Amino acid sequence: DTEVTQTPKHLVMGMTNKKSLKCEQHMGHRAMYWYKQKAKKPPELMFVYSYEKLSINESVPSRFSPECPNSSLLNLHLHALQPEDSALYLCASSQDPSGSYEQYFGPGTRLTVT
Amino acid sequence: AQKITQTQPGMFVQEKEAVTLDCTYDTSDQSYGLFWYKQPSSGEMIFLIYQGSYDEQNATEGRYSLNFQKARKSANLVISASQLGDSAMYFCAITGPRESGGYQKVTFGTGTKLQVIP
Repeated sequence: DTEVTQTPKHLVMGMTNKKSLKCEQHMGHRAMYWYKQKAKKPPELMFVYSYEKLSINESVPSRFSPECPNSSLLNLHLHALQPEDSALYLCASSQDPSGSYEQYFGPGTRLTVT
Repeated sequence: AQKITQTQPGMFVQEKEAVTLDCTYDTSDQSYGLFWYKQPSSGEMIFLIYQGSYDEQNATEGRYSLNFQKARKSANLVISASQLGDSAMYFCAITGPRESGGYQKVTFGTGTKLQVIP
């Protein structure tokens, strides 16, 4: 099973809402990632979890809060977002964070902030 | 810092023909990895092929091959016998120096949009 699943597929939220994005993989991968992708742009790294610990935060605003409850699950909690946060949010995983292995991506969550 | 350049914003290819997508990179590291990903309009990024900097042979995966020219710092993707389902955005990526937690950052290029014409 080389699948990374993400829920929900689409999300519309107001600027005062609190919501969460979920990501799951059952490949035994020890590195998991959140990316943000705007239209016609490459993915931008937000967070890296390595062996369930947050190892990289690419200066992401605190209105985005990641969580890794266990080695298979990754959440992204959203609060007080801005319209410019509307984007495709991609989760990915890899065997380890070394860069020697490909990343497997989920289908993404298309987020619209109104 | 790593840098990836994809100079072709858009490409057209006739179905069943071969196509080459260009990718050049800049890095001061001796050890790095190069990846190609495909992103259809549905949004999911699909891994296609990987080349390590010390690999002497060009990587191949089915209809995909990577033309790795280390001295020129280029890692072009060749797709043979194009199919309509190959229409997508294609991203070249390079791994960077190790950061905290052993992580090597992946830097993506700006992408090439390939359209396969019937």
